[in-house]
Amino acid sequence: DAGVIQSPRHEVTEMGQEVTLRCKPISGHNSLFWYRQTMMRGLELLIYFNNNVPIDDSGMPEDRFSAKMPNASFSTLKIQPSEPRDSAVYFCASTPGGSMNTEAFFGQGTRLTVV
Amino acid sequence: GNSVTQMEGPVTLSEEAFLTINCTYTATGYPSLFWYVQYPGEGLQLLLKATKADDKGSNKGFEATYRKETTSFHLEKGSVQVSDSAVYFCALSPPNTGNQFYFGTGTSLTVIP
Repeated sequence: DAGVIQSPRHEVTEMGQEVTLRCKPISGHNSLFWYRQTMMRGLELLIYFNNNVPIDDSGMPEDRFSAKMPNASFSTLKIQPSEPRDSAVYFCASTPGGSMNTEAFFGQGTRLTVV
Repeated sequence: GNSVTQMEGPVTLSEEAFLTINCTYTATGYPSLFWYVQYPGEGLQLLLKATKADDKGSNKGFEATYRKETTSFHLEKGSVQVSDSAVYFCALSPPNTGNQFYFGTGTSLTVIP
């Protein structure tokens, strides 16, 4: 398997524009996580899905952020409108889910810069 | 609740020095414990894990032992190399939570020749 695939790897956009980040989890994994990493706050969990259903979105910073998982092989994180303080590296991760405490597999991240 | 506290960085060591990065946790039930490593410009990758008390996880010369009595999972390596320079994250996953993870803040390690 190619692992968790995120796109794009880098995104530079102007303040106010809509940004969509994409993630393809590992085939067969039931849980998907979106994280944001900044120097100031470290690694923050934004939202996670189990079997395509959002389970906990309490980490989503505000209404400008939304995430969807229309099927088991694809998820998006959208920011509309974007602001400079959204600049960060966004990671997607997936796990097999269920009761087994297996590792989380991370994508390489999307580095977002909002100018 | 569930949380992880790890040693503040950055840590700078000379090559072949001994490394310890402290990690303590608070959890409901008996979680699985993990150390992840992040090399520059990359995502996190699993370094080692332990799923029950007294288990020792090991990989690439790194070790960590699941200590239930002290709620700790300290990372150690006897002789670090320049290639070990990275950010290290301690994490826990409580049982029966669908693999939800709680990460520490990360500890940056720089090894100088």
